[in-house]
Amino acid sequence: GESVGLHLPTLSVQEGDNSIINCAYSNSASDYFIWYKQESGKGPQFIIDIRSNMDKRQGQRVTVLLNKTVKHLSLQIAATQPGDSAVYFCAEPPNTNAGKSTFGDGTTLTVKP
Amino acid sequence: EPEVTQTPSHQVTQMGQEVILRCVPISNHLYFYWYRQILGQKVEFLVSFYNNEISEKSEIFDDQFSVERPDGSNFTLKIRSTKLEDSAMYFCASNDRSGPQHFGDGTRLSIL
Repeated sequence: GESVGLHLPTLSVQEGDNSIINCAYSNSASDYFIWYKQESGKGPQFIIDIRSNMDKRQGQRVTVLLNKTVKHLSLQIAATQPGDSAVYFCAEPPNTNAGKSTFGDGTTLTVKP
Repeated sequence: EPEVTQTPSHQVTQMGQEVILRCVPISNHLYFYWYRQILGQKVEFLVSFYNNEISEKSEIFDDQFSVERPDGSNFTLKIRSTKLEDSAMYFCASNDRSGPQHFGDGTRLSIL
């Protein structure tokens, strides 16, 4: 079946460095993706989204890149801080408004001081 | 900023008992969801709800599960006869017509 997934289960970076978290998807018809951050004991928190008519979208310290040719997206976090330590998921929202979101496995980002 | 709220934060129940998990979605949202996350695993879809009926459900959402929107603000998930494998975090989410789903902080369900 269709899926979204992440390349690495864990990523460890030094505080101040940039982080790149990757995600692959299989459905070439997918046209909307979301990155979520999940801190320990909390629910997934929306970070940034991107639609398939864009290759890049920037937020505050975060950038999402979408490569539709290879069905890959990435989340870049600039100047990573200890508060960025969390599990990051890419998710594919439903094609209809009331359908399911499909989540990847998650990458655990650890920021070392 | 408005948020999805869930109660209780932790529910401990004996196997075979009924449990009701409660959620208050964001007030102007029309689409409601339940997901679960077993410890260390990915978030899994259970059910979506719109216009007072189920829109989509997964194979996890069997006859032991039901959802209800009893009034204009609450959205509940009921498990009729809990099993040990129902132990998980249960997340409620909501969204409007075109935006991303917003999640609550979850209810940790522990079945003894």
